[in-house]
Amino acid sequence: NAGVTQTPKFRILKIGQSMTLQCTQDMNHNYMYWYRQDPGMGLKLIYYSVGAGITDKGEVPNGYNVSRSTTEDFPLRLELAAPSQTSVYFCASRTGTSGRKNTGELFFGEGSRLTVL
Amino acid sequence: DAKTTQPPSMDCAEGRAANLPCNHSTISGNEYVYWYRQIHSQGPQYIIHGLKNNETNEMASLIITEDRKSSTLILPHATLRDTAVYYCIVRPTDSWGKLQFGAGTQVVVTP
Repeated sequence: NAGVTQTPKFRILKIGQSMTLQCTQDMNHNYMYWYRQDPGMGLKLIYYSVGAGITDKGEVPNGYNVSRSTTEDFPLRLELAAPSQTSVYFCASRTGTSGRKNTGELFFGEGSRLTVL
Repeated sequence: DAKTTQPPSMDCAEGRAANLPCNHSTISGNEYVYWYRQIHSQGPQYIIHGLKNNETNEMASLIITEDRKSSTLILPHATLRDTAVYYCIVRPTDSWGKLQFGAGTQVVVTP
């Protein structure tokens, strides 16, 4: 299994450009998340989804949009890139099933490093 | 959600036990304590979690005080590969799995 895959790994954008960060998981997880991490800081939740067709805002949603048309994919859209969106973006997923063996752990991708100039 | 307080950094000698403290004095009864670590800007990695009882797995042990206001993550025999930022997170059971990351503790394991 590949786990959580993010593309691209690196991207430089100009102010005002738009782009989509892709995230796909092959673990049939219901829950998916997008975080951003600024240098020297912890991760902040942007958006999350509890299943196909259901999304909700996290702590820092402004300037971003998401969609969840399938269980596997959870793309993050930046419409008008700003320097404040320079960050490392992490996608994560977890199973929604309950049970003794379910640790509730989040599985993270390797990150997408975005620079807006 | 309850907040956590961790020391910003700590050093540990290779081969020795690393004891990482975490204060969560406002934790409520339905909140779990989770520990993750992040090695050199990779995606965070789950280590262990617990509610009331002490827990142990192949990576670490988690000791939670009886009043649940603090906990300690123990890496029994630290190796150089354990150098990472360690996050202590308190998570309600009804939070849809959302985790709120603080700044964590930067642990440096030295030879």
